[in-house]
Amino acid sequence: EIVLTQSPGTLSLSPGERATLSCRASQSVSSNYLAWYQQKPGQAPRLLIYGASSRATGIPDRFSGSGSGTDFTLTISRLEPEDFAVYSCQQYGSSPRTFGQGTRLEIK
Amino acid sequence: EVQLLESGGGLAQPGGSLRLSCAASGFTFSSYAMSWVRQAPGKGLEWVSAISGGGGRTYFADSVKGRFTISRDNSKNTLFLQMDSLRAEDTAVYYCAKDQPVAGYYFDCWGQGTLVTVSS
Repeated sequence: EIVLTQSPGTLSLSPGERATLSCRASQSVSSNYLAWYQQKPGQAPRLLIYGASSRATGIPDRFSGSGSGTDFTLTISRLEPEDFAVYSCQQYGSSPRTFGQGTRLEIK
Repeated sequence: EVQLLESGGGLAQPGGSLRLSCAASGFTFSSYAMSWVRQAPGKGLEWVSAISGGGGRTYFADSVKGRFTISRDNSKNTLFLQMDSLRAEDTAVYYCAKDQPVAGYYFDCWGQGTLVTVSS
């Protein structure tokens, strides 16, 4: 199965700053089938990005995804207070679908 | 608005059983595959099982194959997960997640989750 490794484990930034989160796959992700989710304590995960770079419905354009093959990035251009959460990547290019361990984005 | 509401979690003994339910609303339930995804304390998300829209095809992670059964009742817009032979490592929050029309893609809506604790 494909192992996804996210870095950093924790990212400390201030509102207004730019956040760059990495997701690296142990082998190439077919068709760039890579999604990103946001998760806040006690809440359901929320789909942000699918197909590596397509924003889900209702997701602000400050969120963007990029990458291909084994290296993918989620960028939040200008952090809002509500963006501080845990972010997870998921590949669906091969079975079984797998997730990264998550990056915690915290307020500095 | 799409809504998914899980229920049925709780405390079970090792070797015991639990049945989780997920009530869906706001979309044509039978047109979409559905999945269960879990998250153990302090760990990442783990896909557990999926079922096709009609219920005829099911898929399982190796970690639960032979112990868990997934099913759905499209007349009641409800998804189920029957968990047997439970182990301590099954302790997790279990999420119901809306798949795409065909299973195997990303999840565009999730429930709030239900906690399953396996302990003696």
